[in-house]
Amino acid sequence: DSGVTQTPKHLITATGQRVTLRCSPRSGDLSVYWYQQSLDQGLQFLIQYYNGEERAKGNILERFSAQQFPDLHSELNLSSLELGDSALYFCASSAQWGRPPYGYTFGSGTRLTVV
Amino acid sequence: AQSVSQHNHHVILSEAASLELGCNYSYGGTVNLFWYVQYPGQHLQLLLKYFSGDPLVKGIKGFEAEFIKSKFSFNLRKPSVQWSDTAEYFCAVMSGDTDKLIFGTGTRLQVFP
Repeated sequence: DSGVTQTPKHLITATGQRVTLRCSPRSGDLSVYWYQQSLDQGLQFLIQYYNGEERAKGNILERFSAQQFPDLHSELNLSSLELGDSALYFCASSAQWGRPPYGYTFGSGTRLTVV
Repeated sequence: AQSVSQHNHHVILSEAASLELGCNYSYGGTVNLFWYVQYPGQHLQLLLKYFSGDPLVKGIKGFEAEFIKSKFSFNLRKPSVQWSDTAEYFCAVMSGDTDKLIFGTGTRLQVFP
């Protein structure tokens, strides 16, 4: 157990639907990062939050959004789902932004299958 | 923009063989470099990291990597692989002014007994 908790572990849904993925960072970590891992694109950075605020944005589609709540957990919302959104979605956390990087701690991921 | 290249997409070795996985990055400033490993069905785990100082970094499970600034490289090595090293290996770079990790496409390593 890495200390980063992601739920659900697996999700199967139909095209056009909306889902919410949840991430609880490791205790004490203020930054949360979302990544999408697919076979053809590898690990793609989606978005980062630090202490409730959006800090950096990557290749995140407009149909996707995220937020970080006061208790520091984060949710990634995926809407109008398409078959191509099927992927493993990882959340990671780290202690502080702008400090010596200790690397991220990753969760076990949510495997999303869109049918 | 930063990018990371891992030229070996799939490596197949026998146990006890030596391993070297290539990683090159493109960024001219200060970088922090990482290798992560993903065992089948598991999350990414940090193998080793380089911030500064000795360019030869030792990580867990007998892995090491060497930072060669002039070549923009951070290759991963292990003198003798084991079957349990079968996994996917990701190189990642973080520039000195952000904490966003950019990953390479990964190298799938298969070790046969």
